[in-house]
Amino acid sequence: QKEVEQDPGPLSVPEGAIVSLNCTYSNSAFQYFMWYRQYSRKGPELLMYTYSSGNKEDGRFTAQVDKSSKYISLFIRDSQPSDSATYLCAIDANAGKSTFGDGTTLTVKP
Amino acid sequence: GAVVSQHPSRVICKSGTSVKIECRSLDFQATTMFWYRQFPKQSLMLMATSNEGSKATYEQGVEKDKFLINHASLTLSTLTVTSAHPEDSSFYICSAREGVYQPQHFGDGTRLSIL
Repeated sequence: QKEVEQDPGPLSVPEGAIVSLNCTYSNSAFQYFMWYRQYSRKGPELLMYTYSSGNKEDGRFTAQVDKSSKYISLFIRDSQPSDSATYLCAIDANAGKSTFGDGTTLTVKP
Repeated sequence: GAVVSQHPSRVICKSGTSVKIECRSLDFQATTMFWYRQFPKQSLMLMATSNEGSKATYEQGVEKDKFLINHASLTLSTLTVTSAHPEDSSFYICSAREGVYQPQHFGDGTRLSIL
């Protein structure tokens, strides 16, 4: 079993939809949670970084962490075609190397 | 802030050539840098972790003599693919972290093609 499991997708939604991207993890030692967006042929770009349970909002993006269920989510409101990319969750235990999900590819259709 | 620059973005060279890739943190000091390899439609595969002034720590299965990593300063790490062969063709990405509890910031990757 992988330490981090990410909903595989691909996901295709119409413009303006709310998108939910999800990961589960198995190691309760994980303390730091990140979401990255990766466009084709580019490096991942950090979207959200949090280390506590609950919600963190940044513009149209909301990161949600539930440590009791070992479940994290990224919500995108009012999705745009420019949001079309692969989204990676990443989790870190103790400031060491991060463990990445396999990514979910999102397509937002105009 | 937190900009990581990776150079070159694209390399095409003949088999047997050694290729050096640079990774620089432009607006912060990176205590730790990471090197990844990514195959098409797959996630990131960590190759090695490097701390400034120390030898890199390689992941299992990664050849140290093939992939030489140098982290000579707090803003620069280099990956040298020695005597590259077609099977080394891939997308190589570096990342840098400012401090112990900080997230990684990534460069834009280097697409390496060995003919």
